[in-house]
Amino acid sequence: QKEVEQNSGPLSVPEGAIASLNCTYSDRGSQSFFWYRQYSGKSPELIMFIYSNGDKEDGRFTAQLNKASQYVSLLIRDSQPSDSATYLCAVKEGGSYIPTFGRGTSLIVHP
Amino acid sequence: DGGITQSPKYLFRKEGQNVTLSCEQNLNHDAMYWYRQDPGQGLRLIYYSQIVNDFQKGDIAEGYSVSREKKESFPLTVTSAQKNPTAFYLCASSIEVTGMMAIQYFGAGTRLSVL
Repeated sequence: QKEVEQNSGPLSVPEGAIASLNCTYSDRGSQSFFWYRQYSGKSPELIMFIYSNGDKEDGRFTAQLNKASQYVSLLIRDSQPSDSATYLCAVKEGGSYIPTFGRGTSLIVHP
Repeated sequence: DGGITQSPKYLFRKEGQNVTLSCEQNLNHDAMYWYRQDPGQGLRLIYYSQIVNDFQKGDIAEGYSVSREKKESFPLTVTSAQKNPTAFYLCASSIEVTGMMAIQYFGAGTRLSVL
């Protein structure tokens, strides 16, 4: 059974701080990793994907992957109240069409 | 505009009734998926299709049916056999990238409730 674990939160950070969201996975064959943002009542929106160990940066977002330790994280710099949402981590085995989703971490950025 | 269109946005089902949720994409994606999301839960896969005229059951296929007669369309029918259909239904599509990744993009969703 492939598992993707996320702390449900809520994670509360002040505006302007760095928010750190973590995700661990059980399948060592996993090769692709995705972060989605989901606002309340809306559908998931892809933020970033990563498949190599290390960091990948896109604007205020940085995804970090450590395959040896089986975790992937998402850092949000200069957090804004508009970043308040649930963040879903998804993990996929190479060659598979089907990712496994975590239950998401709720982030609250307060002014 | 390219994208994934789900309709209707809200749907109500009466006892014993079958209802069909529409999903259309103009992204030229090969693969399409249906997920169910319950409050506080992650996404659970209902059905997926990698190619026209072919589809596979996901983790919670009982009480649901699909068809894939066209590349652009992947409708989901919630049958009367599904006793607890109230949920947020999400359609997604994907195209392989670099031979390793199937990046999924989601439609806006359909919220189904039971009358």
